[in-house]
Amino acid sequence: DAGVIQSPRHEVTEMGQEVTLRCKPISGHDYLFWYRQTMMRGLELLIYFNNNVPIDDSGMPEDRFSAKMPNASFSTLKIQPSEPRDSAVYFCASSPGLAGGLGELFFGEGSRLTVL
Amino acid sequence: AQKVTQAQTEISVVEKEDVTLDCVYETRDTTYYLFWYKQPPSGELVFLIRRNSFDEQNEISGRYSWNFQKSTSSFNFTITASQVVDSAVYFCALSEEGTGANNLFFGTGTRLTVIP
Repeated sequence: DAGVIQSPRHEVTEMGQEVTLRCKPISGHDYLFWYRQTMMRGLELLIYFNNNVPIDDSGMPEDRFSAKMPNASFSTLKIQPSEPRDSAVYFCASSPGLAGGLGELFFGEGSRLTVL
Repeated sequence: AQKVTQAQTEISVVEKEDVTLDCVYETRDTTYYLFWYKQPPSGELVFLIRRNSFDEQNEISGRYSWNFQKSTSSFNFTITASQVVDSAVYFCALSEEGTGANNLFFGTGTRLTVIP
């Protein structure tokens, strides 16, 4: 399997612009997670889905952030409008869930976002 | 309150030395899971191990070993005869059945540098 695929790998944008990050999970995985990693706050869970349904979005910083999973093979994380403090590495991860490996998350290589 | 504490921010060792990475966790759940992940310079996090709260047996996998002690709420990770390829950031994580067993809380990580 190709693993979790994220795009873009790097994004540089200006404050106020819309940013869309994309993720293709591993086929057959029921769970999809979005994490954000910064030096100050470490790894933070933003939101996770089970079978395409958002289960917990309490980590989403504010209304500027939204995530969707229209089908089992695709998810997006959108920031609109972006701000410099959103600069971070955003990771997508998928997991087979309880049946296949509890807590064993397979991470993508991350999308490094820089907001100027 | 921090659920997972990794007090060591950075550790440097000389190749072939043994090194132990500390992890202390906090939970009120009786059923919980502990994890270690490795983040090499390439960026993606890689799953290393999972233990559940009912299994305190230590585990050894090659040069890696894990010591789980409920009495001290610790789940320490030892690398024996370290190698340069072990240089990475290592994260300890916790999930609780009460908040969703696939919802991982990560520690702040320990950056290990192995000097040749």
